[in-house]
Formats: sequence, C-alpha cells, structure tokens
Amino acid sequence: DAKTTQPPSMDCAEGRAANLPCNHSTISGNEYVYWYRQIHSQGPQYIIHGLKNNETNEMASLIITEDRKSSTLILPHATLRDTAVYYCIVRGTIAGNMLTFGGGTRLMVKP
Amino acid sequence: DTAVSQTPKYLVTQMGNDKSIKCEQNLGHDTMYWYKQDSKKFLKIMFSYNNKELIINETVPNRFSPKSPDKAHLNLHINSLELGDSAVYFCASSLSTGELFFGEGSRLTVL
Repeated sequence: DAKTTQPPSMDCAEGRAANLPCNHSTISGNEYVYWYRQIHSQGPQYIIHGLKNNETNEMASLIITEDRKSSTLILPHATLRDTAVYYCIVRGTIAGNMLTFGGGTRLMVKP
Repeated sequence: DTAVSQTPKYLVTQMGNDKSIKCEQNLGHDTMYWYKQDSKKFLKIMFSYNNKELIINETVPNRFSPKSPDKAHLNLHINSLELGDSAVYFCASSLSTGELFFGEGSRLTVL
C-alpha cells in the first residue's frame, strides 16, 4: 500500500471548518483513500473513503485532487467532540487487505 | 448491541504468564483483525483472518497465537508474556475489503 504524509497536529476553532490534508503521491490506480479517526481511549472509527471523485457523508467531505496525489478531509463545523487523531490511509482492494496506520494528525478543536 | 466486543477491557498480569483476549463481532463480517497500539500510539496490524483462515501474519512472535473458532470470533492467546507486550490490543472486523469496525480495545499491562 502507498504511504501517506500528514501534518502531526492542527488546531481548529469550534464551529469552523477543519481541513485536514494528506499527501499520497505514490498511490496506484486501484487504491482507495480512507480516513479514520481515533478519539482518546477509543477504537478507530471509519469516517469516509473515496477513489477519484469527491465524497460526502454525514460526518465529513473528502476532496481528492485530480492527479490523486493528495486529498483533504473536511469537517464542516468542528465541535469539541471532533478532537481526535485523524488517519489518512491508502488501501488496495485485495480481500482481507489490511489498513496500515501512520502517525496521523492530532486535531485539537478549541472553544 | 456492541458491534465488535472485546474482553477483558483491562488486563494486568505478571511476566511469564499466559493470557487470552477474546473478540466477537455481530456484524456478519467475514474478515477479522488484531491490531496492537503501543505506548507511542502507533497502530500496527498483527493478524488478519478471512473466513476463519489466517491470511496476514505481520512477523508477530509465535508466542502470539490467534484462534478463530468461527467467523464471528477471533481470540488472541499470548504465551510467556513479556514487558514489551504491554499495549492496547484492538480487534476489528470487515466484509473482505470494506471498512473496518474496531472494538474498544483491551489494555494489557505486563508487570
């Protein structure tokens, strides 16, 4: 699986949009971009994933550049409960293919 | 109902002992995983099982023996515990290449 690069930490004001970047310049054509987050002392939680097109669900939006070498996770109105470590992961489609977690971005949402 | 449940949540034991952590999922998934999160907070895949068959073993010492009695269970048995085994162990499940659902973790402390 391709490697990803994320800033180690970011701050965001409560109520504002949080934009978390991720670089994955070695991504291959059949690899998806996944985002998970881990709130303190809990198990990782799936947020969203995409291949080429931008995606949106009730939690977040995922913007993938046209060359697929980078993406941005957007939390439109961050709340204090969104404080967590956010992981950007590139994953293939082989059955049982595991998720390889990097260091992630520690997002701190401040009042 | 909890989707992926692990027991025990906390485990404190002496070096050299043997211990087990159990995992059950009620999501009807066919693939289950064990991840280890050490004190530096890196999440690393240990094992992956698809339809009760081992498909990934990430060079984990053979003191760790996963057992999958059926598709809904993946238990982790650890022999001769060492100090370095202290970590939080997360179980997860998925449908083949679908998103992973994680349990709440089992914190193992070896004294």
